[in-house]
Amino acid sequence: QKEVEQNSGPLSVPEGAIASLNCTYSDRGSQSFFWYRQYSGKSPELIMSIYSNGDKEDGRFTAQLNKASQYVSLLIRDSQPSDSATYLCAVKNTGNQFYFGTGTSLTVIP
Amino acid sequence: DVKVTQSSRYLVKRTGEKVFLECVQDMDHENMFWYRQDPGLGLRLIYFSYDVKMKEKGDIPEGYSVSREKKERFSLILESASTNQTSMYLCASRPGGGNRWHEQYFGPGTRLTVT
Repeated sequence: QKEVEQNSGPLSVPEGAIASLNCTYSDRGSQSFFWYRQYSGKSPELIMSIYSNGDKEDGRFTAQLNKASQYVSLLIRDSQPSDSATYLCAVKNTGNQFYFGTGTSLTVIP
Repeated sequence: DVKVTQSSRYLVKRTGEKVFLECVQDMDHENMFWYRQDPGLGLRLIYFSYDVKMKEKGDIPEGYSVSREKKERFSLILESASTNQTSMYLCASRPGGGNRWHEQYFGPGTRLTVT
């Protein structure tokens, strides 16, 4: 079982729609969760971190965490073509190890 | 502004060559990491270092070694390059302490092709 799993996509949404990206993790005791955005040919950049159950909002981005279900998601509201990228979920587990998912490719269609 | 730089963006080497990938960070970070990124496999940790001259194996250390002689510099060495080491290599750094993963920054990456 992989530490972090994501649907690889590709996910396509029209401009202005909500994009929903999902991630599950295997270590129930994990405490820290992160979403990175990676444009084609570029390195990952952190866009959200979340540590407690519930929602965390930052502009058009909302991270949602459900530790009971071992599930973390990222919602992007009012999607823009500039949001087209691969989104990587990452988790710090109980052993202070850091694992990335394989990423979900998002395309926002103008 | 944090800056992590890598010595090359693109590199082409022949099978059996010794390859050096260099990474330098300018934020006095204690921890440095080498990842490789492959389609369908995501980012996988090769080695990391939490202090000068210290190193720890990651998930896929086979065929690689590292060197950290100065705090700002972390080198990845492929002793004898093979075609299955063709990949994107990403260096990252972050401050020390267990809960500072949100301060992890990546370099631009080196795309290595081994022929």
